[in-house]
Amino acid sequence: GAGVSQSPSNKVTEKGKDVELRCDPISGHTALYWYRQSLGQGLEFLIYFQGNSAPDKSGLPSDRFSAERTGGSVSTLTIQRTQQEDSAVYLCASSLVRSSYNSPLHFGNGTRLTVT
Amino acid sequence: SQKIEQNSEALNIQEGKTATLTCNYTNYSPAYLQWYRQDPGRGPVFLLLIRENEKEKRKERLKVTFDTTLKQSLFHITASQPADSATYLCALLSNDYKLSFGAGTTVTVRA
Repeated sequence: GAGVSQSPSNKVTEKGKDVELRCDPISGHTALYWYRQSLGQGLEFLIYFQGNSAPDKSGLPSDRFSAERTGGSVSTLTIQRTQQEDSAVYLCASSLVRSSYNSPLHFGNGTRLTVT
Repeated sequence: SQKIEQNSEALNIQEGKTATLTCNYTNYSPAYLQWYRQDPGRGPVFLLLIRENEKEKRKERLKVTFDTTLKQSLFHITASQPADSATYLCALLSNDYKLSFGAGTTVTVRA
């Protein structure tokens, strides 16, 4: 497709379960970001991948959160032992290169995660 | 700490009027500032970028100003239309190359 694709669009899970969220970036984009957006809040940075470099994980809120990016393309964000405070919309974005003047971010429509 | 603040209250305006949104920042020295639009249930969409050496940038009915002395950007929607109703986010690059976003301002344009 032409844009960033995220799946599932909605996920309801029970507290304590693990979840995996998937992101397919725009083909050829080397940079990939994960953000989290809680109701009425701004976007909270989680993790950033750039090419083959080690990811910037400085925004991950706890060690229950992890992400990987395979083959420089698809990325998976995993949340283990989910808690109710993990409920939010998880947004993925990609850009041609690391965020710069010529490379604004292209966002997917997010995965809405609800932990019951 | 670095902070980005946008009008916290929603903006309700009459069609045809100009909407003005504010983005203030502290402890950033941005080379540029970006504005995005977000509709309910959708991801943000890039609108405009303004560089630190540009005072003003225009795109169709949108106008952005950037004052690095005041540490402020203003975002104007002129001749507003109901289709302009959305949440508008400003974004700045932090020192470690992460794009950080304000909480956004929701604009509603009444027909």
